[in-house]
Amino acid sequence: GENVEQHPSTLSVQEGDSAVIKCTYSDSASNYFPWYKQELGKRPQLIIDIRSNVGEKKDQRIAVTLNKTAKHFSLHITETQPEDSAVYFCAASNFGGSNYKLTFGKGTLLTVNP
Amino acid sequence: NAGVTQTPKFQVLKTGQSMTLQCAQDMNHNSMYWYRQDPGMGLRLIYYSASEGTTDKGEVPNGYNVSRLNKREFSLRLESAAPSQTSVYFCASSEWVSNEQFFGPGTRLTVL
Repeated sequence: GENVEQHPSTLSVQEGDSAVIKCTYSDSASNYFPWYKQELGKRPQLIIDIRSNVGEKKDQRIAVTLNKTAKHFSLHITETQPEDSAVYFCAASNFGGSNYKLTFGKGTLLTVNP
Repeated sequence: NAGVTQTPKFQVLKTGQSMTLQCAQDMNHNSMYWYRQDPGMGLRLIYYSASEGTTDKGEVPNGYNVSRLNKREFSLRLESAAPSQTSVYFCASSEWVSNEQFFGPGTRLTVL
């Protein structure tokens, strides 16, 4: 089955700096890569996703890049703000096949220091 | 729309007791999922239901059973709770077209 590795497990940055979280996946059939944000005590929520026919996607201060050859994808947050502090999870899926499952990484705790 | 709802929010059980966690969604989604979240372990899939009438094991199914009661409802049952099942349990649902999963608020379960 799919295996998703996520690094780093914790990340501390100063407000205004950029943050990068990286994930690798094992199943070359995976074609859908979402990122979820979970604030303390809350439910995970989708913040951005990318499909394998796209190399990069941006949404304001958030961007995701995908390298299918190397089987890795990354989340980039620019101009970080204290409200970006949360746990971020990457995931991978073979969307559109018979498998509707997401396999999640173990998460990155991002702390943005004012 | 309430989205995905879960009951109860909190539960304390003694070892060997049984209970059922309830989940419902009002978004007309086909697929539903049960995850457990433990510190440092991320979200691990227990069971999922790709569509009404089907259920499949996920990564950590031992000690759990599920029922897809109808398109809206997907329950998770612990027949004989063990301390290793102390965790936060999340239910989620998704549509086949987008695959975005919407999560419920979670149930914090403690087994003594």
